[in-house]
Amino acid sequence: GNSVTQMEGPVTLSEEAFLTINCTYTATGYPSLFWYVQYPGEGLQLLLKATKADDKGSNKGFEATYRKETTSFHLEKGSVQVSDSAVYFCALSDDTGGFKTIFGAGTRLFVKA
Amino acid sequence: DVKVTQSSRYLVKRTGEKVFLECVQDMDHENMFWYRQDPGLGLRLIYFSYDVKMKEKGDIPEGYSVSREKKERFSLILESASTNQTSMYLCASKIPGQSNQPQHFGDGTRLSIL
Repeated sequence: GNSVTQMEGPVTLSEEAFLTINCTYTATGYPSLFWYVQYPGEGLQLLLKATKADDKGSNKGFEATYRKETTSFHLEKGSVQVSDSAVYFCALSDDTGGFKTIFGAGTRLFVKA
Repeated sequence: DVKVTQSSRYLVKRTGEKVFLECVQDMDHENMFWYRQDPGLGLRLIYFSYDVKMKEKGDIPEGYSVSREKKERFSLILESASTNQTSMYLCASKIPGQSNQPQHFGDGTRLSIL
């Protein structure tokens, strides 16, 4: 079945550091891939997405590229801010999975001033 | 923007009580979902509904039921609450049949069962 594996946290960085959160997936079809972010006390919100191989999703300085050959969708940001402290979830959705989205376990990011 | 509203942000109930968690969305989405979120376990799907009066079990349906009488409202019911149901509950909705569309989440209900 479909699955998503993302790096365990927490990840602690200083402000302006480079961020990478690794995400790999297994899927039987041709999934769409997503990164969601959850700020403290809130629900999840879409950060970015990519719907086919080699697509790059980007938003708020974050980027992720859909790599079919390595089945990966790593999240990157060149310079993190304290306000980026949150939990990040990698997820996939495809037509063979019915109506469901498969989420990774989440990675908590702490950014220190 | 899609808005998904959960009726309570925080809820405290007692063991054995029947508990109702309500979720309303304003975008006419057919698909709605209930998850629970626990540290280290990510999001686990409890139930989902793909249309009014339609429901499907997710990965952890035991101890829960759902109701979808109107398209905009999806209710999660804890028939007899137990302490192991203390958790964060998240509701989401989605446009059906399009895997490239994201889910839209409410802010969650943090439920404590004493």
